[in-house]
Amino acid sequence: GENVEQHPSTLSVQEGDSAVIKCTYSDSASNYFPWYKQELGKGPQLIIDIRSNVGEKKDQRIAVTLNKTAKHFSLHITETQPEDSAVYFCAASTGGTSYGKLTFGQGTILTVHP
Amino acid sequence: NAGVTQTPKFRILKIGQSMTLQCTQDMNHNYMYWYRQDPGMGLKLIYYSVGAGITDKGEVPNGYNVSRSTTEDFPLRLELAAPSQTSVYFCASSFSPRDRNYEQYFGPGTRLTVT
Repeated sequence: GENVEQHPSTLSVQEGDSAVIKCTYSDSASNYFPWYKQELGKGPQLIIDIRSNVGEKKDQRIAVTLNKTAKHFSLHITETQPEDSAVYFCAASTGGTSYGKLTFGQGTILTVHP
Repeated sequence: NAGVTQTPKFRILKIGQSMTLQCTQDMNHNYMYWYRQDPGMGLKLIYYSVGAGITDKGEVPNGYNVSRSTTEDFPLRLELAAPSQTSVYFCASSFSPRDRNYEQYFGPGTRLTVT
């Protein structure tokens, strides 16, 4: 089955700096890669996703890049703010199949210091 | 819309007890999922359902059961609680991936402790 590795497990940055979180996946059939943000005491919430026919996607301060050949994808957050502090999860799925089963990475605890 | 709601928020069980975690969604989603989240780990899929009356096992189904009698509800049953089931449980729902809308919406979670 699919295996998703996520690094780093913790990331501490100063407000205004950029943050990068990286994930690798094992199943070359995976074609959908979402990123979820989980705030303390809440369920994960989708912040951005990318499909395998696209190399990069941006939404304001966040962007995701995908390298299908190397089987890795990354989340980039620019101009970080204290409210970006949360746990971030990457995931992978063979989204075109009948069942949207997501395989999650282990999570990255991002702390943005004011 | 309330989205995905879960009850209870917290629960402490003794070893061998049983309980049902409730999950309801009001977005008319066909697909529903149960995940568990252990400390320092990502979410692991326990069971999922593609519609009323249809369920299937995920990655870690042992010790759990599910049913789906309506589109809105997807309860998770623990029959004989064990300490290994101490975790945070999340319910999620989505439209059908066949519609190329893959976003899963998560509930706030149930924190379960088995002692």
